[in-house]
Amino acid sequence: QLQLQESGPGLVKPSETLSLTCTVSGGSISSSSYYWGWIRQPPGKGLEWIGSIYYSGSTYYNPSLKSRVTISVDTSKNQFSLKLSSVTAADTAVYYCARQGSIAARLVAFDIWGQGTMVTVSS
Amino acid sequence: QSALTQPRSVSGSPGQSVTISCTGTSSDVGGYNYVSWYQQHPGKAPKLMIYDVSKRPSGVPDRFSGSKSGNTASLTISGLQAEDEADYYCCSYAGSYTFEWVFGGGTKLTVL
Repeated sequence: QLQLQESGPGLVKPSETLSLTCTVSGGSISSSSYYWGWIRQPPGKGLEWIGSIYYSGSTYYNPSLKSRVTISVDTSKNQFSLKLSSVTAADTAVYYCARQGSIAARLVAFDIWGQGTMVTVSS
Repeated sequence: QSALTQPRSVSGSPGQSVTISCTGTSSDVGGYNYVSWYQQHPGKAPKLMIYDVSKRPSGVPDRFSGSKSGNTASLTISGLQAEDEADYYCCSYAGSYTFEWVFGGGTKLTVL
């Protein structure tokens, strides 16, 4: 059974870079049918797509965050990572990683989610 | 890329049916059949309930159904049960020129 687990610091200082890793277990991140995405949720607010990556390294970002976001993949470790630079208090949120199906998977949606990790931006 | 519009809250009694709307534009909901719905209980990760507008993943009760008309998608929950009380989010592909996704603001479902 495929599982995703986020990891990384729970506290980041303003202006610094937030770094998170998602470890995929029970399956391969190199599947051609799936993308791998990051979604965040500020406290008491809704979900926001941050970006997605394909195992080949192709990346796709939310235009509103594009200038600050970098998503990368390490197929040897079955992991993908998120970096968000120049963070402010507005970046405080629960960050989720998720598997994202494609047309090839016949399921175009975020079908498997990690449990989420809370990241607070504060000095 | 603007968030899709959902009602802030809906409610219904056990056994009744409720419908949650999700309104976008021709660049997202109206342009593609890639609308999905997620259920989120407090403190939990979202769970996929509907994908590709109207398809249910394995294990999701057939009380949950999805549809779309023009720029508005809908999630209908029939035979409401207490455990259906949760937040619900819609999501749509919005990639006219690139691979983009947009979520709705979320709807709080209260089972009276």
